[in-house]
This record gives sequence, structure tokens and C-alpha cells, in this order.
Amino acid sequence: DVKVTQSSRYLVKRTGEKVFLECVQDMDHENMFWYRQDPGLGLRLIYFSYDVKMKEKGDIPEGYSVSREKKERFSLILESASTNQTSMYLCASSSLGGREVKYEQYFGPGTRLTVT
Amino acid sequence: AQKITQTQPGMFVQEKEAVTLDCTYDTSDQSYGLFWYKQPSSGEMIFLIYQGSYDEQNATEGRYSLNFQKARKSANLVISASQLGDSAMYFCAMRDPGGDFNKFYFGSGTKLNVKP
Repeated sequence: DVKVTQSSRYLVKRTGEKVFLECVQDMDHENMFWYRQDPGLGLRLIYFSYDVKMKEKGDIPEGYSVSREKKERFSLILESASTNQTSMYLCASSSLGGREVKYEQYFGPGTRLTVT
Repeated sequence: AQKITQTQPGMFVQEKEAVTLDCTYDTSDQSYGLFWYKQPSSGEMIFLIYQGSYDEQNATEGRYSLNFQKARKSANLVISASQLGDSAMYFCAMRDPGGDFNKFYFGSGTKLNVKP
């Protein structure tokens, strides 16, 4: 059974704290993604990675950074958490596929982050 | 520019009836993939169905079918014989190889409520 796991389901942090969200997949997927989900806005891509140590900015990278030191692990870092980063964070992975578009994303259970 | 548009923020359907969730997309690429995901209140994203842009037949998966109208750039999800467990958020997504082939684009979602 394929799996994407995230380090926490719920997290409460204070403004200004450094926050690490961890994601691990066991499918040997090349691609990994971080999204945030807010009501009425759907899923917005923060960063993605298509290989170890490779990263690309998504649509809303400001205030975030990422790290991918191993193929199975992709970390999202909030350098200095702010209240507007309170959200649901979803990690996903997929096969590379090249220009083949048929490979779906597999999602983790999500981390609901509250910044106070 | 919005790549995926879901115009129905919320919908109600009577149990055992069919329901159509709308999705339109925007791409200049000839090759792309369209996906639907279900997100129950527990938060996990569940892959439902895939349609490739070159597929001549509409995709079907059990009670789910995709009404694909390429010229209109629409990919509506049809759920037949609705069940109470179908109550969830539904997201339409596109994998678009134009420019960055690893990215997925998501709509804002439709919240479906199935009434007994």
C-alpha cells in the first residue's frame, strides 16, 4: 500500500518561531510537492522538487523554504512563522513521467498549522 | 490566470440520485491530464479518476465517470447513485506539461452534500 506520511496532524506555533514540516514517501517517487489549502482557494503550490537537492518555486513561495536531502523526504520550513501562515499543509508525491501526464499525485494526511 | 475553474462552491444531491460537478480548464498544450480528487472531512485527498487529453473514450471508475468535452475545455465529474459517504470536497486538477511538466493545478473545489 503506497504511503505518504507527514510528521504531525496538528501543530501550534508562536509568531516568529521556525517551523519544520516533514514529509516522507515510500513509493520511490521523483517528484514531491508542498501545498497549502485554504477555504475557497483550493490547493496552492508552495514548492516542489523533482530530484534530490532540486527545488522549484510554486505559486506562493514567499515566507517558505524547502529541503530535499534524500529522495524519500521533503521538508517545508517556515523561517519565521506568521499568523497568515495558519493553514492546512498537504504534501504529495508522484512519478516523474517526463511529458507523460497520466501519473496522479499521492497525498499525505495533511498538517493543520496554527500560528498564534 | 486561472488554470482550473470550479464554479460550484457547494451542491446538494438526494441519496441515490446522480450529480454532476463542473470543471473547466485552460491550457494551450495538446497533451495534458485531468484528475478528480475527493477530500472527506478527515482531510486526506483520494484520487478518483483520470482522463488523458488524447483519450477518445470518457473515463469511468465504478460510480464515477468523467464527461470530457475537449473543445469546450471541460471535464465534469459525474457521480451516479449518490451515497451518504460521497459527502466531501471534490477537486478537479490538471497536469500540464507546458512549461513545467511536473506541476499540477487545482481548482477551488466543490463541497458536495448528499441528503438522505
